[in-house]
Amino acid sequence: DAKTTQPNSMESNEEEPVHLPCNHSTISGTDYIHWYRQLPSQGPEYVIHGLTSNVNNRMASLAIAEDRKSSTLILHRATLRDAAVYYCIPPKYNNNDMRFGAGTRLTVKP
Amino acid sequence: AAGVIQSPRHLIKEKRETATLKCYPIPRHDTVYWYQQGPGQDPQFLISFYEKMQSDKGSIPDRFSAQQFSDYHSELNMSSLELGDSALYFCASSLGLSGGAYGYTFGSGTRLTVV
Repeated sequence: DAKTTQPNSMESNEEEPVHLPCNHSTISGTDYIHWYRQLPSQGPEYVIHGLTSNVNNRMASLAIAEDRKSSTLILHRATLRDAAVYYCIPPKYNNNDMRFGAGTRLTVKP
Repeated sequence: AAGVIQSPRHLIKEKRETATLKCYPIPRHDTVYWYQQGPGQDPQFLISFYEKMQSDKGSIPDRFSAQQFSDYHSELNMSSLELGDSALYFCASSLGLSGGAYGYTFGSGTRLTVV
């Protein structure tokens, strides 16, 4: 399984952009990179995913390094509701299985 | 839009009792995953199913079993419950063995408390 490394915690001010990094140097060429977030006492929530190109959706942007060994989740304007634990996960290609590592706890200050 | 439905939301059982958790995936999703999340911990993968067959197995105790039915819903059966089984249990669903090409949708979870 591809291993991921994320900072334990990050802080941001409200209304400012946040860049959440993830290293996944053992990722294979066919592994997608998924990002999920989890608010307290709630189920994980899908944020974004991509393979090689940068991706944008209404929640965030995903910047994938050219060598695919790292990626960055970008929240363009952090709000208090974005405070959560963010997980970067490459599902196993052959059976989709998604295993959580230690994510990044994002704190957003007003 | 329809989401992943888990039942019950809360469950209280005594030690050595049995519990059954249910998961109803998003319509047309044929793959289901189960996770256990203890207090202050990250979700741990238990088991997954694709087209009613077990797809992969994680750190699931032998006291637990699961299956996926013909309508694609899944049930996690937990026997001889221990205090350490108290946790949030999440179910997720996705479409096929697509290698992660599609996102996964999680349910709100079942909070199991063993007393």
